[in-house]
Amino acid sequence: GQQVMQIPQYQHVQEGEDFTTYCNSSTTLSNIQWYKQRPGGHPVFLIQLVKSGEVKKQKRLTFQFGEAKKNSSLHITATQTTDVGTYFCAPLGNAGNMLTFGGGTRLMVKP
Amino acid sequence: EAQVTQNPRYLITVTGKKLTVTCSQNMNHEYMSWYRQDPGLGLRQIYYSMNVEVTDKGDVPEGYKVSRKEKRNFPLILESPSPNQTSLYFCASRRAALSFYEQYFGPGTRLTVT
Repeated sequence: GQQVMQIPQYQHVQEGEDFTTYCNSSTTLSNIQWYKQRPGGHPVFLIQLVKSGEVKKQKRLTFQFGEAKKNSSLHITATQTTDVGTYFCAPLGNAGNMLTFGGGTRLMVKP
Repeated sequence: EAQVTQNPRYLITVTGKKLTVTCSQNMNHEYMSWYRQDPGLGLRQIYYSMNVEVTDKGDVPEGYKVSRKEKRNFPLILESPSPNQTSLYFCASRRAALSFYEQYFGPGTRLTVT
C-alpha cells in the first residue's frame, strides 16, 4: 500500500494549547482520509481531502492537503480533554481500493 | 443502527488451536477488510474483499484466511495461531471498493495466543 510517515508519534499538551500532526508521503497521493481512535475504542472517520491545497474545518479541527498532494496536516486549536486519542491519516492506494494507515499520532491532554 | 459487529471481543487461546473471528455489517457495504493493530505499528491490513467471493491479500496476510460467502459477513480464520498473532483486530467496511468512501470499523477483538 501507499507509505506515509506520520509525525510526531506522541504529543503531550496542556489543555488549551494547540496541536498539529503531519502526514508525509514521498509520492503524490490521490486523496487522504483522517481517523480518530479514542483510548480503548475503534477508529472513527473524521474527514476526506481530495483537492490540491484543500482546507476543511470541523469546529476546532483544521485539515489541510498540500499543494503537491504529498502531505497533509491536522491542526487542533485550543485542545480539550475530549481531543485525547490517536489520530491516523490514511491515503488512497494506487489501485484505488486499499486504504493504508499511517502510524498515528497519540495526543495526550493535561487538564 | 448502522454498525459493524465483531465476535468475540476478547479471546485467549493456545498455539495451534484453530479459531474464527466473525465480522458482520448491516449497511449492505460491498467492501470489507481486516486490520491488526500493534503498538508502534499502527493499523496494518490483513485481507480485504471487494465483494462476495472476491478476496485479496493486504500487507500482512501470512497465517490468516478469510472468506466472503455473503455480503454482510467476512470472518477471519487463524488455522494455527501463533504468539506473534497476539494483537488487536479490527474489521471494517465501506460502501464500495473505491477509497473515496469512509470506512466504518467494528469495536475490535483483542486476541492473545499463548
